[in-house]
Amino acid sequence: KQEVTQIPAALSVPEGENLVLNCSFTDSAIYNLQWFRQDPGKGLTSLLLIQSSQREQTSGRLNASLDKSSGRSTLYIAASQPGDSATYLCAVSLTGNQFYFGTGTSLTVIP
Amino acid sequence: SAVISQKPSRDICQRGTSLTIQCQVDSQVTMMFWYRQQPGQSLTLIATANQGSEATYESGFVIDKFPISRPNLTFSTLTVSNMSPEDSSIYLCSVGMGRRGTEAFFGQGTRLTVV
Repeated sequence: KQEVTQIPAALSVPEGENLVLNCSFTDSAIYNLQWFRQDPGKGLTSLLLIQSSQREQTSGRLNASLDKSSGRSTLYIAASQPGDSATYLCAVSLTGNQFYFGTGTSLTVIP
Repeated sequence: SAVISQKPSRDICQRGTSLTIQCQVDSQVTMMFWYRQQPGQSLTLIATANQGSEATYESGFVIDKFPISRPNLTFSTLTVSNMSPEDSSIYLCSVGMGRRGTEAFFGQGTRLTVV
């Protein structure tokens, strides 16, 4: 069974800092990996999707990398802002449909 | 992308009762998924709902407790039956879009509290 772990569980940084969130998974035969953010009391917003054949994806201040062989992904957030405060979830899919989710990283960006 | 609407957004229910959660998608999709997020935990897949066939349940989830309907390609319901306080969670509907359904999109979730 696929196990997905995220480190750290919580992170607090001052505004403007660059930061890295980590995700690891046990089964490297993934179809794709997706990063989400979840705001309190709300659903999930898709941030970045990385196909298994890709090494990274970028969107604005976000950059996600994927190393399938080592079972790792990182989400890099540049020049963090208070609006980035949320829980960030990593999810992997083996078939392209159902996802296995990590435990999440709760990020607080202090103004 | 897809726009997914869930109803209700939240509810407080008495133990022993049932609640049906609705999920409406703005486009036709083959597969819809129901997840549960217990307090302080990540998401766990309950079942996959395909139109025209029985839902496929993950280990630990059974049809009698979580019956699912999928009458067409844009709509699904999840019922939480005979509720107990342990069922207090956020329930989320999801669809896969894109080539071979590769990108997941989620509704805003239903926050259920059982008292």
